[in-house]
Amino acid sequence: GESVGLHLPTLSVQEGDNSIINCAYSNSASDYFIWYKQESGKGPQFIIDIRSNMDKRQGQRVTVLLNKTVKHLSLQIAATQPGDSAVYFCAENSGGGADGLTFGKGTHLIIQP
Amino acid sequence: DAGITQSPRHKVTETGTPVTLRCHQTENHRYMYWYRQDPGHGLRLIHYSYGVKDTDKGEVSDGYSVSRSKTEDFLLTLESATSSQTSVYFCAISEMAGSQPQHFGDGTRLSIL
Repeated sequence: GESVGLHLPTLSVQEGDNSIINCAYSNSASDYFIWYKQESGKGPQFIIDIRSNMDKRQGQRVTVLLNKTVKHLSLQIAATQPGDSAVYFCAENSGGGADGLTFGKGTHLIIQP
Repeated sequence: DAGITQSPRHKVTETGTPVTLRCHQTENHRYMYWYRQDPGHGLRLIHYSYGVKDTDKGEVSDGYSVSRSKTEDFLLTLESATSSQTSVYFCAISEMAGSQPQHFGDGTRLSIL
């Protein structure tokens, strides 16, 4: 079946810089997307979501961009902090049924001091 | 944080023994999910529930069974554990499938020796 993927498995950024994490999805029928953050030893934590009728959505220090033309999703984190170090992964509702979401494998964001 | 409690948090057991993991929620959400997370595979859906006594199989359901006798509890059972079932297991809940985020518990680390 189709699945969500990530371009880079590891991303290293300087503290204070902006981070951009990318995600490619393959199911053009998906209409709901989510970004999660997972810290070591914890469960995935919801960050932000976006529906297909939008191309941008902002939260606190985070922005999600959706480009349906090229089936691309990105998460921008402003002024990256040490607490942002984690694995980030995207998810899409490709199934459309009660089984819900299809998850990508994740990108490990490392913050350099 | 969503009110999701997984128990036990850690378990070590032997091949061939039965194992039951519990997920308890206080949010009264209709949908509940069991995932396993392994290196290189991301989150994979085992079983899910769309209501009391309503369950269905996910991507990797072989060797697992589930039960949901009340809204707040979703049990995952390994009838006869095998070493390939060593993993971290996550429970998730959602108000709506595919159009609202899933919220996750902190996981159960299960080792089958």
